[in-house]
Amino acid sequence: DAGVTQSPTHLIKTRGQQVTLRCSPKSGHDTVSWYQQALGQGPQFIFQYYEEEERQRGNFPDRFSGHQFPNYSSELNVNALLLGDSALYLCASSPRIAGGLGQYFGPGTRLTVT
Amino acid sequence: GDSVTQMEGPVTLSEEAFLTINCTYTATGYPSLFWYVQYPGEGLQLLLKATKADDKGSNKGFEATYRKETTSFHLEKGSVQVSDSAVYFCALWMDSSYKLIFGSGTRLLVRP
Repeated sequence: DAGVTQSPTHLIKTRGQQVTLRCSPKSGHDTVSWYQQALGQGPQFIFQYYEEEERQRGNFPDRFSGHQFPNYSSELNVNALLLGDSALYLCASSPRIAGGLGQYFGPGTRLTVT
Repeated sequence: GDSVTQMEGPVTLSEEAFLTINCTYTATGYPSLFWYVQYPGEGLQLLLKATKADDKGSNKGFEATYRKETTSFHLEKGSVQVSDSAVYFCALWMDSSYKLIFGSGTRLLVRP
């Protein structure tokens, strides 16, 4: 079992550009959540996808959007990048019924905005 | 709103010392509580969890007890090893919100 995988591992973008991050959930998981972890801080919830719909959203602007595909994989898109968007972006997957008890995290994508 | 507060680090200990990392929470309902660990350059790994009051979570020598009366979930280990050096995050989950809420993390450094 490959667990949760994310790509790319690292990414450098320029302010104002757009970025897409990808996540493949653990086998058997149908729910994907995204978190942003700024340097030296705890992860902050961005949103969660289930059945290809955004089920819950944290306090992030509309520049942050996502998508879930029929195979349960997910993308996080960030438009008009700001320097403050530099962070580690973590994807977590779970079976819907497990809720918080079954959240498995991927290794993350480190985004640097210059 | 719901929140988690952790003691600030870094916590520096010698090998085989006793570890306590304090965690308190604020929640409107009855959350599940977690400790996650993050090793350098890696994602988060679930260390232990507790789903109701007085539950004790344990794993790899680490323990934490869900104390509803003090709204706390302190992490303890009787004898730390150099390999325990990492950042530890306390977190809560409310079924109504579909999200984990994390503390700011506590860095642990264990010296040989």
